[in-house]
Amino acid sequence: GAGVSQSPRYKVAKRGQDVALRCDPISGHVSLFWYQQALGQGPEFLTYFQNEAQLDKSGLPSDRFFAERPEGSVSTLKIQRTQQEDSAVYLCASRSTLSGANVLTFGAGSRLTVL
Amino acid sequence: AQSVAQPEDQVNVAEGNPLTVKCTYSVSGNPYLFWYVQYPNRGLQFLLKYITGDNLVKGSYGFEAEFNKSQTSFHLKKPSALVSDSALYFCAVRDVNYGGATNKLIFGTGTLLAVQP
Repeated sequence: GAGVSQSPRYKVAKRGQDVALRCDPISGHVSLFWYQQALGQGPEFLTYFQNEAQLDKSGLPSDRFFAERPEGSVSTLKIQRTQQEDSAVYLCASRSTLSGANVLTFGAGSRLTVL
Repeated sequence: AQSVAQPEDQVNVAEGNPLTVKCTYSVSGNPYLFWYVQYPNRGLQFLLKYITGDNLVKGSYGFEAEFNKSQTSFHLKKPSALVSDSALYFCAVRDVNYGGATNKLIFGTGTLLAVQP
């Protein structure tokens, strides 16, 4: 596609519910990233995939957070037993092998509100 | 640990005037520095980067940034601001660990640029 597409754009969950956030990267982009952006803050790294391999998950805040990219294209970020502190915008970004170091193309984000 | 600081939460400037959005960094080794812009309800967009070479880096939409090693700064500048430049601007640095440069970006807290007509 022309850009990075994320869905849903907005999600409201009750505390304790599980949520799944989807990212469609730019076709052919090898690298995919998830970032979390809390209100009034800059994005914070969560995890990184190269094709289907999750090479870095050091930013995932707890074992309730899980990400996958089984076929090396679409990725899903899953949050189990959501808590209020999980409320944030979740940003997905992709990068081709041809672009310069760390030049990422971001999606518009999925805004999660946990009540 | 690598970090960037954006000391101003908001910068106000009149249209047509020059603008500067400040960023300072703290890194071990040579820094890879970036500026991204975020418009409402849209994803972050890459503006420019410094890897090596000329200290003055030119980017998209007429923006430029000056890398200053002695002051550990990477301020974003534009000679003449437009109302359409109003947005949230983020400075970022590439993280480094014991294995060398990583694929992780560390972002500042952002500076809201407001350009008045």
